[in-house]
Amino acid sequence: NAGVTQTPKFRVLKTGQSMTLLCAQDMNHEYMYWYRQDPGMGLRLIHYSVGEGTTAKGEVPDGYNVSRLKKQNFLLGLESAAPSQTSVYFCASSLWTDTQYFGPGTRLTVL
Amino acid sequence: GQQLNQSPQSMFIQEGEDVSMNCTSSSIFNTWLWYKQDPGEGPVLLIALYKAGELTSNGRLTAQFGITRKDSFLNISASIPSDVGIYFCAGHGMYSGGGADGLTFGKGTHLIIQP
Repeated sequence: NAGVTQTPKFRVLKTGQSMTLLCAQDMNHEYMYWYRQDPGMGLRLIHYSVGEGTTAKGEVPDGYNVSRLKKQNFLLGLESAAPSQTSVYFCASSLWTDTQYFGPGTRLTVL
Repeated sequence: GQQLNQSPQSMFIQEGEDVSMNCTSSSIFNTWLWYKQDPGEGPVLLIALYKAGELTSNGRLTAQFGITRKDSFLNISASIPSDVGIYFCAGHGMYSGGGADGLTFGKGTHLIIQP
């Protein structure tokens, strides 16, 4: 039982490039989330999903897109990366809406 | 979005001392959660609180859900070196996180233990 896993662990992009971050969970959780963590800002919700095929915007959704084609996977996409998107990205999942379990994070640098 | 005020921002303590940190909010939350984050890792859930007034322990950790539903505290007894890290409180409620299903996080308490 791996819990929540994220790939890749590190990535460096140039401004304007695109990429997709993958989150996978093996706990059969309905809810999945993407957060970003910046120094002094804590964790902020980007997008979330309440089940397969659904997505919704969180607090800071601009510049990101998500998809949940399978219950166990939640993808976060950056279509045209900007330096302001340099951050650490965390995926989380939960059975209900409150008690969330986090992955190890992806460290993204946009040059 | 909603704001959680977490204090203190950092703590320098001696090994063996007890630790206390808290979170307050201007809004009511239905659930309070406490997480610990080690460098380079994701937050790990320590304690979840679901009911106002609830007091829950996990080993040397004790947390309480405030009666007003606007605050929570975490105590660590007899601190040891592996307690070093960042502790986050998080609240869940109807208006948290910009959406019905997100968590609102405090900015964290950095715990530093001097041997």
